[in-house]
Amino acid sequence: DTGVSQDPRHKITKRGQNVTFRCDPISEHNRLYWYRQTLGQGPEFLTYFQNEAQLEKSRLLSDRFSAERPKGSFSTLEIQRTEQGDSAMYLCASSLGPTSGSTDTQYFGPGTRLTVL
Amino acid sequence: QKEVEQDPGPLSVPEGAIVSLNCTYSNSAFQYFMWYRQYSRKGPELLMYTYSSGNKEDGRFTAQVDKSSKYISLFIRDSQPSDSATYLCAMSAYSSASKIIFGSGTRLSIRP
Repeated sequence: DTGVSQDPRHKITKRGQNVTFRCDPISEHNRLYWYRQTLGQGPEFLTYFQNEAQLEKSRLLSDRFSAERPKGSFSTLEIQRTEQGDSAMYLCASSLGPTSGSTDTQYFGPGTRLTVL
Repeated sequence: QKEVEQDPGPLSVPEGAIVSLNCTYSNSAFQYFMWYRQYSRKGPELLMYTYSSGNKEDGRFTAQVDKSSKYISLFIRDSQPSDSATYLCAMSAYSSASKIIFGSGTRLSIRP
């Protein structure tokens, strides 16, 4: 399967614990995005990378959240001191980046479902 | 008021019916309009992409954009049970936008 993959698919943790999620984008894609989706809502943008550089962060991304893409390939999203309000689906997407005359289509992974007890 | 409004449904129609899904938006800077389909416990997948106003057709799917009314639609002809999913509209001001603004999604069920 050459699509976007995410690990783990499900994570249950206790409030106050730290969690880390991994995303492996489509191999030739330069851009990588993180979104959060709660029940009955559309995905909300968190942050994105162009290669290894983190270019934009949403105000939703509090200082308990940190994302990295150390070699411009896979990315990790860490949440420190989890709260019950962090319970959501965390989606990763990747894209080629802007190219002349073409749209920059994002391809989504299956998501990591986080439950904070 | 949200930038993008979408009726959450659920919408239930018999197999073979024509389905109409809609979104309204408030930001006149939006130029790129998308429809995503999301099956339960899966990530969204891009169905249709439209730039500015007009229609675009792809098989059983037709996307319409009316920028003057800030209103977009997705029509599904000859609906099938496999079309049962949540449909998310999404839009952006730039073709290579760092973020897309999504609607909340409409849950669609096609009855056999």
